Amino acid sequence: GAVVSQHPSWVICKSGTSVKIECRSLDFQATTMFWYRQFPKQSLMLMATSNEGSKATYEQGVEKDKFLINHASLTLSTLTVTSAHPEDSSFYICSAQLVDEQYFGPGTRLTVT
Amino acid sequence: GQQLNQSPQSMFIQEGEDVSMNCTSSSIFNTWLWYKQDPGEGPVLLIALYKAGELTSNGRLTAQFGITRKDSFLNISASIPSDVGIYFCAGQRYNTDKLIFGTGTRLQVFP
Repeated sequence: GAVVSQHPSWVICKSGTSVKIECRSLDFQATTMFWYRQFPKQSLMLMATSNEGSKATYEQGVEKDKFLINHASLTLSTLTVTSAHPEDSSFYICSAQLVDEQYFGPGTRLTVT
Repeated sequence: GQQLNQSPQSMFIQEGEDVSMNCTSSSIFNTWLWYKQDPGEGPVLLIALYKAGELTSNGRLTAQFGITRKDSFLNISASIPSDVGIYFCAGQRYNTDKLIFGTGTRLQVFP
């Protein structure tokens, strides 16, 4: 139980385009989901906290107009990277909260050319 | 953003050896967690610690929540090749679900 999926697992896009990443809790409902970014050989850095039915809370230094988060249902949160640039290339990981534990998705590798 | 300091940064050990790594912070946490991340995957929870001084085991893994609440360590006994990966600690403060991750320890096990 407590499985989280992400789609796509990897994506390549051109600079200036937007890309959407989905995070789904497959066998449980999650009122809270989290989005992290991980650069190569670095740690996970929290980008934002996504609450179902309300606006996401972004961490300091994360541009909310660039990283659009929508948590429209208890099993789905989406992260849209708008006007992507090469420096946005990274590994994006979501997690979903169940009781007192976060369950992590397998990650989405974004490459912006 | 804030990160927790983990040491060592990387370890290269022989199969069968024991491993010890730790995580330190300048501020206190109410929960300490240890995760393992395989390449290209999300982290998987290994052990969760909820009380200062708590010592918890999960198979060959043992972790402790430091008395000062500013540190934690993870031991792996009798390492095997599938222990290869990156180990992250994470701290959680009171009354929040947010996690702050450590800098990671990369473990390589040679047969």
